[in-house]
Amino acid sequence: DAGVIQSPRHEVTEMGQEVTLRCKPISGHDYLFWYRQTMMRGLELLIYFNNNVPIDDSGMPEDRFSAKMPNASFSTLKIQPSEPRDSAVYFCASSLYSPMNTEAFFGQGTRLTVV
Amino acid sequence: AQKITQTQPGMFVQEKEAVTLDCTYDTSDPSYGLFWYKQPSSGEMIFLIYQGSYDQQNATEGRYSLNFQKARKSANLVISASQLGDSAMYFCAMRASNSGYALNFGKGTSLLVTP
Repeated sequence: DAGVIQSPRHEVTEMGQEVTLRCKPISGHDYLFWYRQTMMRGLELLIYFNNNVPIDDSGMPEDRFSAKMPNASFSTLKIQPSEPRDSAVYFCASSLYSPMNTEAFFGQGTRLTVV
Repeated sequence: AQKITQTQPGMFVQEKEAVTLDCTYDTSDPSYGLFWYKQPSSGEMIFLIYQGSYDQQNATEGRYSLNFQKARKSANLVISASQLGDSAMYFCAMRASNSGYALNFGKGTSLLVTP
């Protein structure tokens, strides 16, 4: 398996524009996590899914953020409208159905810059 | 709610020496898992080691070992024979059933290995 695949790797957009980040988890993994990493706040868990169902979205900062997982092999994180403070690295990670003793595998991340 | 605390923002160690990175956690769930990840300057998240709350022995993976003290709720990472390539950010993380198996991270410790 190629691992967790995120796209794009880098995104530069203007304030107010819609941004969509994409993630393909490892095949067979039932958990999918979205994180945001900044120097100030570290690694924040935004939302996670189990079997394509959102379990906890309490980490999503505002209504401008939304995430979907229409099937087991694809998830999106959308920001609309984007703001400069959304600039960060966004990671997607996935893990197997046995969550307690299996690690989460991370994608390479998407570096988002909002100008 | 679970909480992971890493009190050392930055650490220095000389090459070939051992170093301990601290992690304390707080959870009311008797069943949980603890993870350590490494993030080099290139940005990827690399899984290092796992410890389950019911594991009788401390986990070891090559030069990495986990000093698990359940009563004190600490799970310190020990890196033996440090190498220059160990310079990176290190994150402690936890999953517990009473938090829906969310994978939550501490703020991280920056380790610099000097010649």
